[in-house]
Amino acid sequence: DQQVKQNSPSLSVQEGRISILNCDYTNSMFDYFLWYKKYPAEGPTFLISISSIKDKNEDGRFTVFLNKSAKHLSLHIVPSQPGDSAVYFCAASVGYGNKLVFGAGTILRVKS
Amino acid sequence: DSGVTQTPKHLITATGQRVTLRCSPRSGDLSVYWYQQSLDQGLQFLIQYYNGEERAKGNILERFSAQQFPDLHSELNLSSLELGDSALYFCASSSGGGTEAFFGQGTRLTVV
Repeated sequence: DQQVKQNSPSLSVQEGRISILNCDYTNSMFDYFLWYKKYPAEGPTFLISISSIKDKNEDGRFTVFLNKSAKHLSLHIVPSQPGDSAVYFCAASVGYGNKLVFGAGTILRVKS
Repeated sequence: DSGVTQTPKHLITATGQRVTLRCSPRSGDLSVYWYQQSLDQGLQFLIQYYNGEERAKGNILERFSAQQFPDLHSELNLSSLELGDSALYFCASSSGGGTEAFFGQGTRLTVV
């Protein structure tokens, strides 16, 4: 039973445009959500997080939006850069510091 | 560099054998997590330790075991290895008090 789903296996975006990566979850107990970026042959790198008491969190070019009623979150990258090309994982947990449940990942390709 | 060190980076072994993967968490982090990433799949949670004690268990096979030592490093032991155990094994650490988890570069295990 996949509790965290990333339905788009891949996304291709032109440099300078917006990248929008989506994630859906089914477990209403999740209260902490994170996005990780992963390059080949490296471990996942933390990008940005949001707690369920917020609906938006911003860090530079990265913004995460949370829609609790729809059990949906999205990551916006503006403007997209070629160096953003990587696999992006959405993750969720029940409480801070607890195990993360990951989605299958979305491959982002930013074309120059 | 996340500060989480995993050794070895690569491991090739035969079916039926036993291996030990090692993880040194970031300085000061009390929580250690182990995740498995099989081909084209997301990261699956295996087990979490907090300050030497097992805190949470995921879909970890009985052939697998882990421990966290007094110096907070952790080891994941995989025994009676099967071809299907071939995967990337990631270790992550966090302070356990509301911060995100930081991942190591992973150990790529190939069972032949």
